[in-house]
Amino acid sequence: DAKTTQPPSMDCAEGRAANLPCNHSTISGNEYVYWYRQIHSQGPQYIIHGLKNNETNEMASLIITEDRKSSTLILPHATLRDTAVYYCMWNNNAGNMLTFGGGTRLMVKP
Amino acid sequence: EAEVAQSPRYKITEKSQAVAFWCDPISGHATLYWYRQILGQGPELLVQFQDESVVDDSQLPKDRFSAERLKGVDSTLKIQPAELGDSAMYLCASSLEGTVNSPLHFGNGTRLTVT
Repeated sequence: DAKTTQPPSMDCAEGRAANLPCNHSTISGNEYVYWYRQIHSQGPQYIIHGLKNNETNEMASLIITEDRKSSTLILPHATLRDTAVYYCMWNNNAGNMLTFGGGTRLMVKP
Repeated sequence: EAEVAQSPRYKITEKSQAVAFWCDPISGHATLYWYRQILGQGPELLVQFQDESVVDDSQLPKDRFSAERLKGVDSTLKIQPAELGDSAMYLCASSLEGTVNSPLHFGNGTRLTVT
């Protein structure tokens, strides 16, 4: 199984950076790390993905360790609307399956 | 931005009845996925299509669940007969290619309650 490990919950003050860690120690060399988030009662929303290099887009930054066994999603200036469950995951190369774990529930507080 | 459309948004049915969900992926997306999400858990993949062909349905309970994507565009997921344990959110997603470098785009799901 394409298993990830994330803390079940985190808090962050509004306006501060939120750093969400993920362990994916069994990822293979050509499999991308993906991050999604899910706001209550909506479908998951794609945030960012990467292979080896750090990535940045208008939503977030993704830092992947050199050994690719873990990554960190950074929301540089968290807002109350960033309160959501954040999922780290990757494709299982064997069947192109995308496996979600339990995710991290991020609570952004005023 | 183009979206994945799903209907109905909510469905309440009695156990032993049949129920069906519909999904229209983003235009041009070859790969379509159905997920089930039980409250408080992450989504679980049920079936994956590449065009009209099933790529993976190893997690689909085939005694009661069926899925089709006849023309390689929209898709239907059916449950017959529904059981109490099927109460969940059913999510559809699509991606351009279904490769390791192709993000998924999700619809807002159908919330099923079986009574």
